[in-house]
Amino acid sequence: GAVVSQHPSRVICKSGTSVKIECRSLDFQATTMFWYRQFPKQSLMLMATSNEGSKATYEQGVEKDKFLINHASLTLSTLTVTSAHPEDSSFYICSAAHREGGYGYTFGSGTRLTVV
Amino acid sequence: AQTVTQSQPEMSVQEAETVTLSCTYDTSESDYYLFWYKQPPSRQMILVIRQEAYKQQNATENRFSVNFQKAAKSFSLKISDSQLGDAAMYFCAYRSVNTDKLIFGTGTRLQVFP
Repeated sequence: GAVVSQHPSRVICKSGTSVKIECRSLDFQATTMFWYRQFPKQSLMLMATSNEGSKATYEQGVEKDKFLINHASLTLSTLTVTSAHPEDSSFYICSAAHREGGYGYTFGSGTRLTVV
Repeated sequence: AQTVTQSQPEMSVQEAETVTLSCTYDTSESDYYLFWYKQPPSRQMILVIRQEAYKQQNATENRFSVNFQKAAKSFSLKISDSQLGDAAMYFCAYRSVNTDKLIFGTGTRLQVFP
């Protein structure tokens, strides 16, 4: 149980275009989801926390107008990278908080975004 | 603000041997959760073990165990009988009881040699 599906796994887009990444909780309701960015050989950097039905809370230094997060249902959160630039190229990971087997987090498999 | 420190960027171990990964954290809170996550080359984050700060007993999951020293704010991970499949990045993480956010350390890359 507690599976999170993240799509796409890889995406290449042109500079100036927008890309949407989806994160779905398959067998549980995720009232809170998190979006991370991970640079090569580095740790996970929390970008924002999304709560179902409300606006996302962004970490300091993260541009909310560039990284649009929507959490419209208890099973789906989306991250849209708007007007993408090469410096947005990175590995993006979502996770969902759950209480199965005690409080924990389930992570998506990540999305590698390359902006050319 | 809470911080998590992993002072070993890389560690290596021989297959079947034991290795310990270090983690220290800084907090003023008395209750919190600590985690160790594994990230293999696939980059899928996998929970290894979890510890609640109010529990004095160290958590154990098969070959994985922790040494939780609350006063010293230390949370090391011991991997016994290391296997080739244990090779991965290992991240220590902290979660306050007041927030759902996980704070990650910088990670330790573990290599396992046959």
